[in-house]
This record gives sequence, C-alpha cells and structure tokens, in this order.
Amino acid sequence: QTVVTQEPSLTVSPGGTVTLTCASSTGAVTSGYYANWFQQKPGQAPRALIYSTNYKHSWTPARFSGSLLGGRAALTLSGVQPEDEAEYYCLLYISATQHYVFGTGTKVTVL
Amino acid sequence: EVRLVESGGGLVQPGGSLRLSCEAFGFTLSGYWMHWVRQAPGEGLAWVSRVRSDGKITTYADSVKGRFTISRDNVKNTVYLQMSSLIVEDTAVYYCVRIDVGTDMVTVDLWGQGTLVTVSS
Repeated sequence: QTVVTQEPSLTVSPGGTVTLTCASSTGAVTSGYYANWFQQKPGQAPRALIYSTNYKHSWTPARFSGSLLGGRAALTLSGVQPEDEAEYYCLLYISATQHYVFGTGTKVTVL
Repeated sequence: EVRLVESGGGLVQPGGSLRLSCEAFGFTLSGYWMHWVRQAPGEGLAWVSRVRSDGKITTYADSVKGRFTISRDNVKNTVYLQMSSLIVEDTAVYYCVRIDVGTDMVTVDLWGQGTLVTVSS
C-alpha cells in the first residue's frame, strides 16, 4: 500500500518563501501521479490550489506554484501572507491500483 | 452557483448502516468521476471511494472495501455512499469531491462542505 509523506510542519516569515514536498513510498513522483494540492483551514472544507502537478485554478493566488522537485511533488509559496497559515495536503493518483492517496499533511505557520 | 451538498450523516451504533447523499447544484454530475473523502477528528484526509461518470466503474480504499458501496443517479444529480458494518474507526467528516479526468490531466476542483458520521455505542 502506497504511503505519501509530507513534512509535518514548516514555519515561514511573512513575505518569505517556503516549499512543501510530497513523497511516495514506492519511488519517484512523476507527472503520471497527477499531483493535486489543497489548503485546509480549521473548521473548513479543503480548497483546491493546484492540479496535475503545476496547473493553477482560476482562484489560486499567483504566489502558489506546483512542480516536481527531486523525485517529489512540490508546492511553493512565494511572498507568504498571514492568511496562508493552514494545513496543506497533496493527493496522488496511483495508476497501478487505480486508487488515490492523500499525503500526511503539512502545517504551515506564518510567524 | 456550483456546489456540492452532502447529507445523511449522524450518530450510528457499531455494526449499523448509514447512507450518505451528495447533490450537485449548478452543474451536471454526469460528466464527472465523483469521489468520497473522509477526515477523522484531528486527522488528515483519506480517500474512500470513486465512481465513474456512468456508474459502471467503482473503486474503494482497502479500509472500506466490502462494507461501503458508492453509486449515483445522474437523473437526480446525486451520488450516494451506502455504509454498512460500521466501526468506530469510520467516525469522520465525509466529503463529496468532484474530479475531472481528461487526457493526461486529473483535476480536483470542487468539495462539498462535509457531513459528520459518528460511530459510537
């Protein structure tokens, strides 16, 4: 069973840059995993940010970007704002099993 | 306004059953794969199940396979999750999620507000 791992927590200063990663236990994450990224604030449903590795939704702020980095999916926040403090999850599609697997989540603190 | 509205959550005893519904507003469900995702209290997100646009293909997470059944009624613009043999570990907020699968593209773009299922004696 595939396990998808993210950094448990990251801290960033306002205006700074932070990169979150999403790793698969079965090997390198490629474009074929169609990584999606979500933001979730307490008491709210998740909100979609990035799809298919690096595409932004119409509502996604420009400071969010997705990529592949060193065999992992990555979400970069540039020019971080206080409202970016939240939990972030990745989602990978596992073609071998036709299952989807969420990452363990990263708590981003803006301090 | 495009949205998904879940209903049917509540308190159920271990071993019991419950059916969740997810109605779509502002768009036609028939063009999309639809999924259920859950989140236990204080925990992360977990994918549960999916159903193809025509209802003919379904897939389940190992943790619910054989106990949960996903289905859809495109005329009613509604997706369902029939849950049986419920255990305490099924306690979670259940979200309905729309996923658009295209040529070399997977787009998760719409979540419902969630419905809480509590399994307890």
